[in-house]
Formats: sequence, structure tokens, C-alpha cells
Amino acid sequence: EDQVTQSPEALRLQEGESSSLNCSYTVSGLRGLFWYRQDPGKGPEFLFTLYSAGEEKEKERLKATLTKKESFLHITAPKPEDSATYLCAVQAAEYGNKLVFGAGTILRVKS
Amino acid sequence: GAGVSQSPSNKVTEKGKDVELRCDPISGHTALYWYRQSLGQGLEFLIYFQGNSAPDKSGLPSDRFSAERTGGSVSTLTIQRTQQEDSAVYLCASSLNPQGAGQPQHFGDGTRLSIL
Repeated sequence: EDQVTQSPEALRLQEGESSSLNCSYTVSGLRGLFWYRQDPGKGPEFLFTLYSAGEEKEKERLKATLTKKESFLHITAPKPEDSATYLCAVQAAEYGNKLVFGAGTILRVKS
Repeated sequence: GAGVSQSPSNKVTEKGKDVELRCDPISGHTALYWYRQSLGQGLEFLIYFQGNSAPDKSGLPSDRFSAERTGGSVSTLTIQRTQQEDSAVYLCASSLNPQGAGQPQHFGDGTRLSIL
């Protein structure tokens, strides 16, 4: 059973068309939920850490939220440069210090 | 440099050869991690170092894989007798002391390993 599941697998948006990406998790003892952005040929770039349900973080057009079972990455009025793969990862007491990643959502924003 | 540095960026080798991959973490980061990213597999954990010790090696797929870290800084991942299924991007990450609340891990751009 996957511990971290991201949906959708791929998302195509028109420039300015807001949407949300989902990350659901089934771990105990959550120590942190992390969002990363990955561009082709590059390593994951850290975006946000969320620690507890109800927490929200914002950066430019991105806003991450967390509940007890899932996290959302909201993208407001996206631009073509927001096109990337967005990865969600959890760190939990049952796994020690490693990150367990979801498969990612590939986002394409067309102008 | 300011970020995690990995070398080489690309490596092509023949099946059966040994390879060494290098990671230079962010200065001051005591924790270092190796992950592997393959098509269809996503990002999977290999090994974690705290200082020069490796308290978690649970992700190493076989005894052909080993890693070391010296001086609390640079780490080397070695794959012996490479197989085609070892082809992947090997990513290194570092973080501040991970004890307590989760510290974000910062990644390098990886080494793309291709086994012919």
C-alpha cells in the first residue's frame, strides 16, 4: 500500500486558470510534509514544509495546506514558468529521517 | 558553493564495471542522504548519514552498493559490478540536524547513470 499518493498524475492548465494538486498520506507520527518542484534534468527544489493540521504556507502563486490525511498545493493564476513536476514527501516517526515521496504531478501551463 | 554539488553529472559505463558517485553537501549540514530516481519508480531512499555514521542503510538494494562519508562532509556512493537495472538518477540531499521536527532536505542535481 502506497504511503503517499499524489493526484492527478498530470494536469494541463491554461495560463491564469487556478487549480489544486493533492497529496494524501497514510503514515503515523508525521514529522513534516514537504513540497518540492522538479524541473527536467534538475534535482527537486524545496518549496514548503508543513508540520501540523491547519497549517498553511504561501510563496508567490503557490499555497500549501495540510489536514490530518492530505495536503493541497493551490496554484493561483499560473504562468507557463510554473510548469514542472511537483513532488510531495513525508517524514514520519515510523520511517526515521528519510523522506517517502509520492510519484508526483506533472503540471503544464499553456499560454 | 551555496548548494549541494554532485559529480559527475552524467556517467556511462559498461555492465560489470564499478562506479563512484560524489556528493558535496551544503556547508554546515550534518545530515546527508542518497536517493535514487528511476522511471516508473519515483524517488526512493538509499542511505542516511549523520556526521560520518550511517544509522539507516535500509534502502541500499544489494551488497553491491556501499557509501561512506568523511570529515562530516563529502560522501561517495559506490556501485560494484554494475547491472543494467542500476541505471537511474542518483540524487544527494543534505539538511541541518534532523532531530525533532522535520528539517527540509536540499537536493543536488544528481548523477545520471547509464549502464550499457
